[in-house]
Amino acid sequence: DAKTTQPNSMESNEEEPVHLPCNHSTISGTDYIHWYRQLPSQGPEYVIHGLTSNVNNRMASLAIAEDRKSSTLILHRATLRDAAVYYCILRGTQGGSEKLVFGKGTKLTVNP
Amino acid sequence: DSGVTQTPKHLITATGQRVTLRCSPRSGDLSVYWYQQSLDQGLQFLIQYYNGEERAKGNILERFSAQQFPDLHSELNLSSLELGDSALYFCASSVSIADTEAFFGQGTRLTVV
Repeated sequence: DAKTTQPNSMESNEEEPVHLPCNHSTISGTDYIHWYRQLPSQGPEYVIHGLTSNVNNRMASLAIAEDRKSSTLILHRATLRDAAVYYCILRGTQGGSEKLVFGKGTKLTVNP
Repeated sequence: DSGVTQTPKHLITATGQRVTLRCSPRSGDLSVYWYQQSLDQGLQFLIQYYNGEERAKGNILERFSAQQFPDLHSELNLSSLELGDSALYFCASSVSIADTEAFFGQGTRLTVV
């Protein structure tokens, strides 16, 4: 399984943008980059995913480097409800490789 | 509500016992994934089933087994339980294509005493 590297923790202030980085230097050409988050005492929830182009949805934006070896999840205006552990995961396209293998993720703290 | 239902929500049992955790995937999702999350630990992938067949295996102990039934619901069986098996067990479902999202249930909290 291709690996991702994320900082253990990050801190932000409410109403400010947050950029969560992820390195995935061994990504294959067909791996999708997925982001999930887990709020305290809840199951993980999907945030966003992409392949090559930058992606936007109502929750966040995903910026993917041109060589695809890194990506950044952008929360445009952090709220207290965004405090969670954020996971960057590579999801393959071959049978069995589409499983989600979670690393340690980045624990985001949002200060009021 | 993710559409993935896990039962029971809580389970307390004694060491040496056997329990069964149940997962109903979202309508139309053929893949079911099982995860274990111990206190302050990350999510450990256990096993994946796709349309009734085992598709991928992770760090699943031999005392644990799973299956997916024709109606696509899945069960995770944990036997000879030990104190260290106390954890949150999550189930997720997806259409099993990398270009789609997976949906997680709220988990079953297992306490072994």
